[in-house]
Amino acid sequence: NAGVMQNPRHLVRRRGQEARLRCSPMKGHSHVYWYRQLPEEGLKFMVYLQKENIIDESGMPKERFSAEFPKEGPSILRIQQVVRGDSAAYFCASSPPGARKDTQYFGPGTRLTVL
Amino acid sequence: AQTVTQSQPEMSVQEAETVTLSCTYDTSENNYYLFWYKQPPSRQMILVIRQEAYKQQNATENRFSVNFQKAAKSFSLKISDSQLGDTAMYFCAFLGLTSGTYKYIFGTGTRLKVLA
Repeated sequence: NAGVMQNPRHLVRRRGQEARLRCSPMKGHSHVYWYRQLPEEGLKFMVYLQKENIIDESGMPKERFSAEFPKEGPSILRIQQVVRGDSAAYFCASSPPGARKDTQYFGPGTRLTVL
Repeated sequence: AQTVTQSQPEMSVQEAETVTLSCTYDTSENNYYLFWYKQPPSRQMILVIRQEAYKQQNATENRFSVNFQKAAKSFSLKISDSQLGDTAMYFCAFLGLTSGTYKYIFGTGTRLKVLA
Protein backbone atom coordinates (compact mmCIF):
# COMPACT_ATOMS: atom_id res chain seq x y z
CA ASN A 1 0.00 0.00 0.00
CA ALA A 2 1.71 3.12 -1.21
CA GLY A 3 1.92 6.00 1.21
CA VAL A 4 0.93 9.59 0.61
CA MET A 5 2.55 10.82 -2.58
CA GLN A 6 3.53 14.38 -3.27
CA ASN A 7 5.04 15.90 -6.36
CA PRO A 8 7.15 17.56 -7.21
CA ARG A 9 9.54 17.08 -4.32
CA HIS A 10 11.33 20.30 -5.18
CA LEU A 11 9.90 23.26 -7.03
CA VAL A 12 11.67 26.46 -7.96
CA ARG A 13 9.68 29.48 -9.08
CA ARG A 14 10.49 33.11 -9.78
CA ARG A 15 8.52 35.84 -8.07
CA GLY A 16 5.17 36.35 -9.74
CA GLN A 17 4.88 32.82 -11.16
CA GLU A 18 2.37 30.20 -10.13
CA ALA A 19 3.16 27.10 -8.08
CA ARG A 20 1.07 23.92 -8.21
CA LEU A 21 1.67 21.25 -5.62
CA ARG A 22 0.06 17.83 -5.92
CA CYS A 23 -0.91 15.30 -3.30
CA SER A 24 -2.26 11.80 -3.78
CA PRO A 25 -3.62 10.40 -0.51
CA MET A 26 -3.15 6.86 0.65
CA LYS A 27 -5.48 4.34 -0.95
CA GLY A 28 -8.84 4.40 0.75
CA HIS A 29 -8.25 7.78 2.38
CA SER A 30 -10.77 10.49 1.60
CA HIS A 31 -9.50 13.29 3.84
CA VAL A 32 -6.60 15.50 2.82
CA TYR A 33 -4.81 18.15 4.88
CA TRP A 34 -2.18 20.65 3.81
CA TYR A 35 0.45 22.04 6.18
CA ARG A 36 3.22 24.55 5.65
CA GLN A 37 6.59 24.49 7.34
CA LEU A 38 8.57 27.70 7.22
CA PRO A 39 12.34 27.43 7.84
CA GLU A 40 13.20 26.52 11.43
CA GLU A 41 9.52 26.23 12.41
CA GLY A 42 6.97 23.51 13.01
CA LEU A 43 4.23 22.61 10.58
CA LYS A 44 1.18 24.86 10.49
CA PHE A 45 -2.27 23.79 9.33
CA MET A 46 -3.54 25.38 6.13
CA VAL A 47 -6.59 23.56 4.82
CA TYR A 48 -8.65 20.38 5.16
CA LEU A 49 -10.50 18.90 2.20
CA GLN A 50 -12.68 15.98 1.39
CA LYS A 51 -13.55 14.98 -2.16
CA GLU A 52 -14.96 18.05 -3.92
CA ASN A 53 -15.34 19.94 -0.64
CA ILE A 54 -13.27 22.35 1.38
CA ILE A 55 -14.08 21.60 5.00
CA ASP A 56 -11.78 23.99 6.85
CA GLU A 57 -9.55 26.62 5.29
CA SER A 58 -8.93 28.62 8.42
CA GLY A 59 -5.14 28.38 8.00
CA MET A 60 -5.00 29.51 4.38
CA PRO A 61 -3.74 32.98 3.55
CA LYS A 62 -6.64 35.06 2.29
CA GLU A 63 -5.09 35.84 -1.07
CA ARG A 64 -3.17 33.93 -3.75
CA PHE A 65 -3.64 30.50 -2.13
CA SER A 66 -6.28 27.98 -3.12
CA ALA A 67 -6.79 24.26 -2.76
CA GLU A 68 -8.97 21.63 -4.34
CA PHE A 69 -9.56 17.92 -4.12
CA PRO A 70 -11.52 16.87 -7.20
CA LYS A 71 -13.59 13.75 -7.55
CA GLU A 72 -10.86 12.23 -9.69
CA GLY A 73 -7.16 12.89 -9.33
CA PRO A 74 -4.90 14.37 -6.70
CA SER A 75 -5.44 17.28 -4.39
CA ILE A 76 -3.85 20.49 -5.64
CA LEU A 77 -2.48 23.37 -3.63
CA ARG A 78 -2.12 26.39 -5.88
CA ILE A 79 -0.15 29.51 -5.10
CA GLN A 80 -0.53 32.39 -7.51
CA GLN A 81 2.00 35.19 -7.95
CA VAL A 82 4.47 33.64 -5.56
CA VAL A 83 6.63 35.84 -3.32
CA ARG A 84 9.86 35.03 -1.49
CA GLY A 85 7.93 34.54 1.76
CA ASP A 86 6.14 31.56 0.20
CA SER A 87 9.41 29.62 0.25
CA ALA A 88 8.72 26.70 2.57
CA ALA A 89 8.09 22.99 2.73
CA TYR A 90 4.48 22.06 2.05
CA PHE A 91 3.25 18.81 3.49
CA CYS A 92 0.14 16.90 2.65
CA ALA A 93 -1.43 14.39 5.02
CA SER A 94 -4.35 12.04 4.61
CA SER A 95 -6.64 10.09 6.87
CA PRO A 96 -9.29 7.44 6.26
CA PRO A 97 -13.03 8.03 6.43
CA GLY A 98 -14.94 6.99 9.49
CA ALA A 99 -13.90 6.93 13.09
CA ARG A 100 -10.15 6.75 12.75
CA LYS A 101 -9.39 10.38 12.15
CA ASP A 102 -6.92 10.37 14.97
CA THR A 103 -3.82 9.82 12.89
CA GLN A 104 -2.91 11.61 9.71
CA TYR A 105 -0.27 10.12 7.46
CA PHE A 106 2.20 12.55 5.98
CA GLY A 107 3.69 12.68 2.54
CA PRO A 108 7.37 13.52 1.93
CA GLY A 109 6.63 17.19 1.33
CA THR A 110 7.30 19.62 -1.51
CA ARG A 111 10.04 22.15 -0.96
CA LEU A 112 9.17 25.38 -2.74
CA THR A 113 11.91 27.89 -3.39
CA VAL A 114 10.99 31.32 -4.73
CA LEU A 115 13.83 33.20 -6.36
CA ALA B 1 -6.88 27.93 21.56
CA GLN B 2 -4.59 24.95 21.76
CA THR B 3 -0.86 25.54 21.97
CA VAL B 4 2.15 23.26 22.05
CA THR B 5 5.45 24.35 23.57
CA GLN B 6 8.85 22.73 23.17
CA SER B 7 11.25 24.67 25.33
CA GLN B 8 14.47 22.94 24.21
CA PRO B 9 15.55 24.18 20.76
CA GLU B 10 18.59 21.89 20.71
CA MET B 11 19.87 18.93 22.65
CA SER B 12 22.70 16.47 22.34
CA VAL B 13 23.29 13.03 23.80
CA GLN B 14 26.06 10.49 23.68
CA GLU B 15 25.43 7.34 21.73
CA ALA B 16 23.85 4.60 23.89
CA GLU B 17 22.75 7.13 26.52
CA THR B 18 19.20 8.21 27.37
CA VAL B 19 17.70 11.58 26.55
CA THR B 20 14.34 13.18 27.37
CA LEU B 21 12.67 15.79 25.20
CA SER B 22 10.04 17.93 26.86
CA CYS B 23 6.69 19.13 25.58
CA THR B 24 3.85 20.97 27.23
CA TYR B 25 0.50 21.85 25.75
CA ASP B 26 -2.60 23.77 26.58
CA THR B 27 -6.15 22.76 25.81
CA SER B 28 -9.60 22.83 27.33
CA GLU B 29 -10.58 19.59 25.61
CA ASN B 30 -10.74 16.26 27.33
CA ASN B 31 -10.39 13.96 24.33
CA TYR B 32 -7.36 14.44 22.15
CA TYR B 33 -4.23 12.74 20.88
CA LEU B 34 -0.58 13.54 21.29
CA PHE B 35 2.25 12.56 19.00
CA TRP B 36 5.97 12.76 18.59
CA TYR B 37 7.23 13.03 15.03
CA LYS B 38 10.80 12.73 13.85
CA GLN B 39 12.02 14.78 10.91
CA PRO B 40 15.45 13.74 9.62
CA PRO B 41 17.35 15.84 7.05
CA SER B 42 15.24 14.25 4.32
CA ARG B 43 12.33 16.25 5.78
CA GLN B 44 10.03 13.25 5.84
CA MET B 45 7.70 13.36 8.86
CA ILE B 46 8.02 10.01 10.63
CA LEU B 47 5.60 9.04 13.37
CA VAL B 48 7.55 7.99 16.46
CA ILE B 49 4.86 7.45 19.06
CA ARG B 50 1.23 8.21 19.71
CA GLN B 51 -0.78 8.66 22.92
CA GLU B 52 -4.55 8.85 23.41
CA ALA B 53 -5.45 11.28 26.18
CA TYR B 54 -8.04 8.95 27.66
CA LYS B 55 -5.43 6.26 28.27
CA GLN B 56 -3.52 6.59 31.51
CA GLN B 57 -0.86 4.09 30.48
CA ASN B 58 2.17 5.67 28.86
CA ALA B 59 2.80 4.61 25.27
CA THR B 60 5.98 2.72 24.41
CA GLU B 61 7.54 1.82 21.07
CA ASN B 62 10.80 -0.10 21.42
CA ARG B 63 13.42 2.45 22.58
CA PHE B 64 10.90 5.29 22.65
CA SER B 65 8.54 5.96 25.52
CA VAL B 66 6.52 8.87 26.78
CA ASN B 67 5.74 10.33 30.16
CA PHE B 68 2.19 11.62 29.80
CA GLN B 69 0.98 13.77 32.67
CA LYS B 70 -2.53 14.83 31.73
CA ALA B 71 -3.19 17.10 34.69
CA ALA B 72 0.10 18.91 34.15
CA LYS B 73 -0.43 18.88 30.35
CA SER B 74 3.00 17.48 29.84
CA PHE B 75 4.10 14.92 27.24
CA SER B 76 7.82 14.18 27.26
CA LEU B 77 9.65 11.71 25.00
CA LYS B 78 12.36 9.45 26.34
CA ILE B 79 14.81 7.87 23.92
CA SER B 80 16.81 5.03 25.44
CA ASP B 81 20.03 3.60 24.03
CA SER B 82 20.36 6.54 21.62
CA GLN B 83 21.64 5.71 18.15
CA LEU B 84 23.30 7.91 15.54
CA GLY B 85 20.22 7.46 13.34
CA ASP B 86 18.12 9.20 15.99
CA THR B 87 19.74 12.51 15.01
CA ALA B 88 16.85 14.63 13.71
CA MET B 89 14.32 17.32 14.54
CA TYR B 90 11.63 16.09 16.88
CA PHE B 91 8.20 17.66 16.88
CA CYS B 92 5.55 17.27 19.54
CA ALA B 93 2.03 17.52 18.14
CA PHE B 94 -1.49 17.84 19.54
CA LEU B 95 -4.45 16.54 17.57
CA GLY B 96 -7.90 17.52 18.70
CA LEU B 97 -11.21 18.76 17.45
CA THR B 98 -10.78 22.46 16.78
CA SER B 99 -13.73 24.31 15.27
CA GLY B 100 -15.17 21.04 14.05
CA THR B 101 -11.96 19.82 12.38
CA TYR B 102 -9.26 17.48 13.51
CA LYS B 103 -6.02 19.32 12.89
CA TYR B 104 -2.50 19.08 14.23
CA ILE B 105 -0.94 21.79 16.32
CA PHE B 106 2.84 21.37 16.24
CA GLY B 107 5.52 22.63 18.57
CA THR B 108 8.55 24.45 17.19
CA GLY B 109 10.72 21.36 17.47
CA THR B 110 13.83 20.17 19.27
CA ARG B 111 16.95 19.46 17.25
CA LEU B 112 18.56 16.33 18.68
CA LYS B 113 22.12 15.38 17.89
CA VAL B 114 23.46 11.98 18.89
CA LEU B 115 27.22 12.07 19.37
CA ALA B 116 29.49 9.15 18.58
